[in-house]
Amino acid sequence: GENVEQHPSTLSVQEGDSAVIKCTYSDSASNYFPWYKQELGKGPQLIIDIRSNVGEKKDQRIAVTLNKTAKHFSLHITETQPEDSAVYFCAASMGSARQLTFGSGTQLTVLP
Amino acid sequence: DAGITQSPRHKVTETGTPVTLRCHQTENHRYMYWYRQDPGHGLRLIHYSYGVKDTDKGEVSDGYSVSRSKTEDFLLTLESATSSQTSVYFCAIGPAGGWEQYFGPGTRLTVT
Repeated sequence: GENVEQHPSTLSVQEGDSAVIKCTYSDSASNYFPWYKQELGKGPQLIIDIRSNVGEKKDQRIAVTLNKTAKHFSLHITETQPEDSAVYFCAASMGSARQLTFGSGTQLTVLP
Repeated sequence: DAGITQSPRHKVTETGTPVTLRCHQTENHRYMYWYRQDPGHGLRLIHYSYGVKDTDKGEVSDGYSVSRSKTEDFLLTLESATSSQTSVYFCAIGPAGGWEQYFGPGTRLTVT
């Protein structure tokens, strides 16, 4: 089955700096890559996603890049704010029912 | 939480007792999923459904069963709860025409 690895497990940045979280996947059949933000005590919230036929996607301060050849994708957050502090998960999807395999998460802390 | 409710939100039960968790959606989405979240493991897929009465196993299905008799409801049953099933359980839904999954608020289950 699919295996998704995520790094780093913890990341601290100063407010206003950029943050980058990286993931690799194992199965070249995966074709959809979402990113989720999870705040304490809440369910994961979809923040951005990318399909395998696209190399980059941007939404305001958040961007995702995908390298299909190397089988890795990354989340970029610019101009970080304290409210960006949360756990971020990457995932890869394949299969007829769009099953997701998740990375183990990154705890992002934005220091004021 | 995209029209998804989970009940109960918290439950404490004893080893060996049966437990049923309910996921209810108001979005009329085709796909429904059950995940469990444990420290260091991200989210792992337990079972999923691709339509009424159509279900299949995920990565960690042992000890769990599911049922979907209506589009809006997806039930997860632990036939005989064990301490290893102490976890936070999330339901997710996804539309037939897309790849996104939207998560509910979660159920925290403790098996003593």
